[in-house]
Amino acid sequence: QVQLQESGPGLVRPSETLSLTCTVSGDSLGSYFWSWIRQSPGKGLEWIGYVYDSDITNYNPSLKSRVTMSGDPSKNQVSLSLTSVTAADTAIYYCARGYCSGGSCYAGFVDYWGQGTLVSVSS
Amino acid sequence: EIVLTQSPAILSLSPGDRATLSCRASQSVSNYLAWYQQRPGQAPRLLIYNASNRATGIPARFSGSGSGTDFTLTISSLEPEDFAVYYCQQRSNWLTFGGGTKVEIK
Repeated sequence: QVQLQESGPGLVRPSETLSLTCTVSGDSLGSYFWSWIRQSPGKGLEWIGYVYDSDITNYNPSLKSRVTMSGDPSKNQVSLSLTSVTAADTAIYYCARGYCSGGSCYAGFVDYWGQGTLVSVSS
Repeated sequence: EIVLTQSPAILSLSPGDRATLSCRASQSVSNYLAWYQQRPGQAPRLLIYNASNRATGIPARFSGSGSGTDFTLTISSLEPEDFAVYYCQQRSNWLTFGGGTKVEIK
């Protein structure tokens, strides 16, 4: 059974960098697409981006200047860094795995999700 | 950015009823659309991908249809565990979600 667990600080100061890690168990990073998605009452569900093959990335155009994602197969982890945060970045952050079926893997559909971690931006 | 508009915002039904949820895209997304279910305190769960394909392990009472700009999720007979919020999501142009439809017990 594949499990994903997000970890990182629950409180980040404005203008600082939000850093989260997603630890995957039950499977390797392999050739899957690994996404970060966030959810807030004001913006709903928002796709931050995804990483493939540890360093091939695609980011939300609205966040691209502030986002970095990477994968570490040796630790079976995926990481997210979001710089210059503001209160608008307060959200539950999820990591999720791209869905694969019938030999096709999709970056844009996700099946396994972590439980999510709440990150608040406040001084 | 492609905007997905879901309707209705709230659907009040009873167990055993048929639920019909709508998702409209601001421009064509072909069939690159998915539906997710989210129960309180849980992460979303993939139900349908590519507009009409059920994801692994999803019961047959869930079905999806549509292409282009208009899509429908149908739950043929509501079970107690189906009362939740449902989101559509497209992958045609970047990746965006709709605002959700809450299916509540009448």
